[in-house]
This record gives sequence, structure tokens and C-alpha cells, in this order.
Amino acid sequence: DIQMTQSPSSLSASVGDRVTITCRASQGISNHLAWYQQKAGKAPNSLIYAASRLQSGVPSKFSGSGSGTDFTLTITSLQPEDFATYYCQQYYNYPPTFGGGTKVEIK
Amino acid sequence: EVQLLQSGGGLVQPGESLRLSCVVSGFTFSTYPMSWVRQAPGKGLEWVSAISGTGGSTFYTDSVKGRFTVSRDNSKNTLYLQLHSLTVEDTAVYYCAKGEVASTYYFEYWGQGTLVTVSS
Repeated sequence: DIQMTQSPSSLSASVGDRVTITCRASQGISNHLAWYQQKAGKAPNSLIYAASRLQSGVPSKFSGSGSGTDFTLTITSLQPEDFATYYCQQYYNYPPTFGGGTKVEIK
Repeated sequence: EVQLLQSGGGLVQPGESLRLSCVVSGFTFSTYPMSWVRQAPGKGLEWVSAISGTGGSTFYTDSVKGRFTVSRDNSKNTLYLQLHSLTVEDTAVYYCAKGEVASTYYFEYWGQGTLVTVSS
């Protein structure tokens, strides 16, 4: 199975900050990488697919980049509603696997 | 509007069984593969099972093979997950998720989740 490693596992940031989360795959996955946002007690919400394509309706403050094994999710101008846990997921190979998550907390 | 509405969770004892359901609307159900993803309390996301659009192909993570069965009734727009021989390690929120025709395991839409608690 492909292992997905996210870093950091948590971070504290202030409203208005720019944050970057990284995700590393244990082997190349081309651009078959998705990012999800999950708020407490809620289902995950798809943000980005194909590493850099924004899901319809997702604000442009979210952006993704990367290919192969290294990927990043960037959130600009952090707002209160962005404080959540973010997961990366590879869908290049069976079985699909998720990163451990990055919890973005208010500083 | 795509919607996935789940039901069927609850509290069961180890060794017991449970069936989860996921009723969908807003898309042609039979065209799309579907998956179940679970999340143990305080933990991350874990893919559990998938089924092709026709129902002819099914897939499972190793820890549930032989115990869980995924199925679908395309006439009722409903996805199922039958859970047998449950253990405390199966305690989790279970989500159904819609795959894509080109990418079976990319999940744009998710159900609201249903909690399965296995405890004596």
C-alpha cells in the first residue's frame, strides 16, 4: 500500500495568515492526489483533486500543487471557518490511502 | 443536487451484526462506483470497501475481508454495507462516498456519516 505522510500533524495560525501543509507519498502517484477539509463532527469536504484542480464552489484561497511524491496545500488569508483538519488522499493505486491529517488551530 | 443520506448505525456487542444504508439522489446511481470510508474516534480516515456501478465487482480492506459485505440496489438508489462479526476495533463513523467514473477512489461527495459502536 502507498503510505501518505502529512506534515505538520497540527499547526496554530492566526486569522489572515497563509498556511502550507505538505503531503508525501511513499511512491510516485503522478497527480492522483486529493485534499479534503473536515470540521469537527462533519463529513469530509472535497477541496482539490488531481493535485491542483479546485473543486467547484471551493474558494480560490485554497490551492494545491505537486506531482510524483511531494504535494502541498496552501490556504491564504486564513479565516475562522478554515480552522479544521485537512487530509490528503492518493487515488493512484489500490487501495486508496489517506494521510494522517493536519489540524489547523487558532493561535 | 447530489445527496447521500445514511442510516443504520448503532450500538452492538462484539460478534454481532449490523447493516448500514446510503440512499443517494441527484445523479445516475448505477453509473458510479461507491465506497465506504470509516473514521475511528479521534483518528484519521480509512477506506473500507468499494463496489462498481453494476455491483459486479467489490473490494475490501484486508481487516474487514470475510466479515463485511458491500452491495447495492440500483433500482432503489441505495448502497449497503453489511457488517458481521464486529469487534471493538470496528467502532467508527462510517461514511458512504461517491466515486467517479474515471477515478473510482476520488470522493467528491460524502454521506453525513453514521456511528457504529461495538462494545460489551
